[in-house]
Amino acid sequence: DAGVTQSPTHLIKTRGQHVTLRCSPISGHKSVSWYQQVLGQGPQFIFQYYEKEERGRGNFPDRFSARQFPNYSSELNVNALLLGDSALYLCASSSPGTTGTEAFFGQGTRLTVV
Amino acid sequence: GQNIDQPTEMTATEGAIVQINCTYQTSGFNGLFWYQQHAGEAPTFLSYNVLDGLEEKGRFSSFLSRSKGYSYLLLKELQMKDSASYLCAVRDERYYGQNFVFGPGTRLSVLP
Repeated sequence: DAGVTQSPTHLIKTRGQHVTLRCSPISGHKSVSWYQQVLGQGPQFIFQYYEKEERGRGNFPDRFSARQFPNYSSELNVNALLLGDSALYLCASSSPGTTGTEAFFGQGTRLTVV
Repeated sequence: GQNIDQPTEMTATEGAIVQINCTYQTSGFNGLFWYQQHAGEAPTFLSYNVLDGLEEKGRFSSFLSRSKGYSYLLLKELQMKDSASYLCAVRDERYYGQNFVFGPGTRLSVLP
């Protein structure tokens, strides 16, 4: 079975540009969460989507947005990129309602803003 | 507020035992997780505690004390492949599902 897949794996953008990152969850998982991991730090929660609705938002500016599609895949969009947005962006899928189960992470998208 | 503390770096010898501590202060608590992350790779699940006590899983064990806001991950019979970052994460009950507040991670180096 395929795990969580993210695309692209690496991306280089210029300050001020816009970027879209994509995530396909594990089959059957309806929840997708996005995390930002700056080098040397733990992941920081950005968004959670469940059944195509936003269920949680972390402390990130409005330049960050996301959506979930009917097939439960998700996109993370970041506008007006800043150098500080350079990070590993992780997508995690899970099956809420099943307490004790972990979230499964994709391999991430390494975004470099120059 | 949300605060999770872990040591930044630890070093141990192959075959030894190492304990990685984690303390947390979070507004919500719905379980504590440990993840392993090799450099440049995705975090992978190691263990989960929601009740006080010790959970053992092969060479890895995890302990939780909710009253003290404290957990540790115990790695036995260390192998070179255990060199990685170990992330302590609290599942935040404010959100529906599996959303975590992560600590900064502990980078473990296993030496021969």
